[in-house]
Amino acid sequence: ETGVTQTPRHLVMGMTNKKSLKCEQHLGHNAMYWYKQSAKKPLELMFVYSLEERVENNSVPSRFSPECPNSSHLFLHLHTLQPEDSALYLCASSQRPFRTSGRGETQYFGPGTRLLVL
Amino acid sequence: AQSVAQPEDQVNVAEGNPLTVKCTYSVSGNPYLFWYVQYPNRGLQFLLKYITGDNLVKGSYGFEAEFNKSQTSFHLKKPSALVSDSALYFCAVRDMNSGNTPLVFGKGTRLSVIA
Repeated sequence: ETGVTQTPRHLVMGMTNKKSLKCEQHLGHNAMYWYKQSAKKPLELMFVYSLEERVENNSVPSRFSPECPNSSHLFLHLHTLQPEDSALYLCASSQRPFRTSGRGETQYFGPGTRLLVL
Repeated sequence: AQSVAQPEDQVNVAEGNPLTVKCTYSVSGNPYLFWYVQYPNRGLQFLLKYITGDNLVKGSYGFEAEFNKSQTSFHLKKPSALVSDSALYFCAVRDMNSGNTPLVFGKGTRLSVIA
């Protein structure tokens, strides 16, 4: 798990707060992902960045704003969240850019940030 | 559209017994198939994947999975379960021929190995 790190590991925020989640990958990968994991639901892909370009945005509300300043770092900026946004947010990375021959690529996950919105 | 189903929310098995965690998939073309495991308060860890070739895939921690195209299944197996195998297991699929679609995950199966 040291290949992909996420901070903070736990976060409690009110609905009016602004916070950011950070992900860093030390694997030299070119694609990074944000997923939301809620209890008893499949993992929901939120965003994909490939070579620092956003290539996927799965109808995520605008209160979630991703940022990818370079291929090793990915942020998820949060503002005016709702209680139903409470979940485990997972970051992942894979070696090849998303839109090349990388469909068989393995994604490597970080430990996640457990978010509670009050 | 591609999808994956894990029909069991929970699987209980005695330590030392063989275990099976089921997964079926639906794709329009040929699949890439993955198994991941999630331990408490951790992210998902890659176990194994099927890309092409031999239908029996061996992975980490003694796990293996068999790709069965006629039954559209990719069940995860281990000959002898350990208490430390207790975790949440996810199957995932991507269609080889569907362009840029992302990996689709199942809901997960919680495996409980009882000493």
